[in-house]
Amino acid sequence: ILNVEQSPQSLHVQEGDSTNFTCSFPSSNFYALHWYRWETAKSPEALFVMTLNGDEKKKGRISATLNTKEGYSYLYIKGSQPEDSATYLCAFMAGSNYQLIWGAGTKLIIKP
Amino acid sequence: NAGVTQTPKFQVLKTGQSMTLQCAQDMNHNSMYWYRQDPGMGLRLIYYSASEGTTDKGEVPNGYNVSRLNKREFSLRLESAAPSQTSVYFCASRGVYEQYFGPGTRLTVT
Repeated sequence: ILNVEQSPQSLHVQEGDSTNFTCSFPSSNFYALHWYRWETAKSPEALFVMTLNGDEKKKGRISATLNTKEGYSYLYIKGSQPEDSATYLCAFMAGSNYQLIWGAGTKLIIKP
Repeated sequence: NAGVTQTPKFQVLKTGQSMTLQCAQDMNHNSMYWYRQDPGMGLRLIYYSASEGTTDKGEVPNGYNVSRLNKREFSLRLESAAPSQTSVYFCASRGVYEQYFGPGTRLTVT
């Protein structure tokens, strides 16, 4: 059974501080790793799709790295703002059938 | 551009009742998905449709059926609702890689 683990489960960060969290996934049969942002009362929205070992993606203050050999990805947020408060989901795609296996998410709360 | 739409947004059913959750997308995507989301767990795939006319079981298909009516629409049916099916249901469609989600349906079965 393929499993995707995210840590920590939740995180409180002071506004202005930088933070990061982890997604661990099986290192075999890797096809892609997705990050989604899920705000309360909204739907998940794609942040990044990463396919190559060593990939680094950036969107504004948010960036992500990928290590497929050891099976982990980090999401970084620089200078956290209140609007960054959300649950961040990662999802692993094994093989080319495009099905995603989802982690339970990291809930980020930014304290003003 | 509406993206992915779902109806209804909320529903309360009694055990044994049936209902259909509707989903439509206007992005001309081939693949569509139904997920359920339960507290403390990741999204779990119920059924998916890789293209019009095809459907396949996901991780948790028991108690559900689906219909891919055409390229736009993918419905999820609960034939005899059970309390274990209380959940938030999301429909999604896939672009090149990323998935686009509907607003969700919060279903309570009493």
